[in-house]
Amino acid sequence: GQQVMQIPQYQHVQEGEDFTTYCNSSTTLSNIQWYKQRPGGHPVFLIQLVKSGEVKKQKRLTFQFGEAKKNSSLHITATQTTDVGTYFCAGNSGGSNYKLTFGKGTLLTVNP
Amino acid sequence: GAVVSQHPSRVICKSGTSVKIECRSLDFQATTMFWYRQFPKQSLMLMATSNEGSKATYEQGVEKDKFLINHASLTLSTLTVTSAHPEDSSFYICSQNWGDTQYFGPGTRLTVL
Repeated sequence: GQQVMQIPQYQHVQEGEDFTTYCNSSTTLSNIQWYKQRPGGHPVFLIQLVKSGEVKKQKRLTFQFGEAKKNSSLHITATQTTDVGTYFCAGNSGGSNYKLTFGKGTLLTVNP
Repeated sequence: GAVVSQHPSRVICKSGTSVKIECRSLDFQATTMFWYRQFPKQSLMLMATSNEGSKATYEQGVEKDKFLINHASLTLSTLTVTSAHPEDSSFYICSQNWGDTQYFGPGTRLTVL
C-alpha cells in the first residue's frame, strides 16, 4: 500500500532559525496536505497542494509540491516559539474515498 | 472551515468495559467520516471509513468486531471500543471531508486501566 515517509522526525532550533520538513510518497499523489498538531491538541489543516511543482506561501511558511507529485516540503523562515508542534504531511491518492496516508510527522521545538 | 465535535474529550475506564465516542458534524452533512487512532508521539493511523447508512470500511489489521462504527445519520458517527484493554489506550480522532480537505475533531483521549 501507499507509504508516506517524512523526515526529520525531530528538529530543535533556536528562535529565528529556519526549519524544513520533507515528505516522500511511494506513489504519485493526487494532492498532499499539511497539518500542524500542537502538543495535546488535534491536527489542524494548514494547506493543500494539488498541482505539479506548486508553491504556496502562508506568511513565513512555504509549501512545495514536487514535479512528479511524489514529494513535498514545508519550510518555515525565522521560526518563532509559536511554531512549536508536530507537522504532518498527508497524501491523497485520489479517487472518491478521500483517504489520507499520514507521514510520521516532524516535531519542531524552538528555543527562545 | 468545517467544524467537527467529539464527545467525550477524555475518558478513563476499566479493562473489559465498552466505551462509545461520538463524532458530530456541526456545519454540514457528512456521508463519510474517518476514524483515526494516534498513539503517543506517533502519527495518525486510519482505522476505518464510516459511511452513512451502510457498513464501515475497516483498514487492514483493525478488528471490526472490537471497534464498532455506526453512522446512522448525516451528522453523527460513533465509535464503540468494545471490551477495552490497556493496549487500546490511545487518542481517537474523527474527521470529515469538506471538498478535498479533511477537518479533524478535537479528539478523545482514552485511558483503559
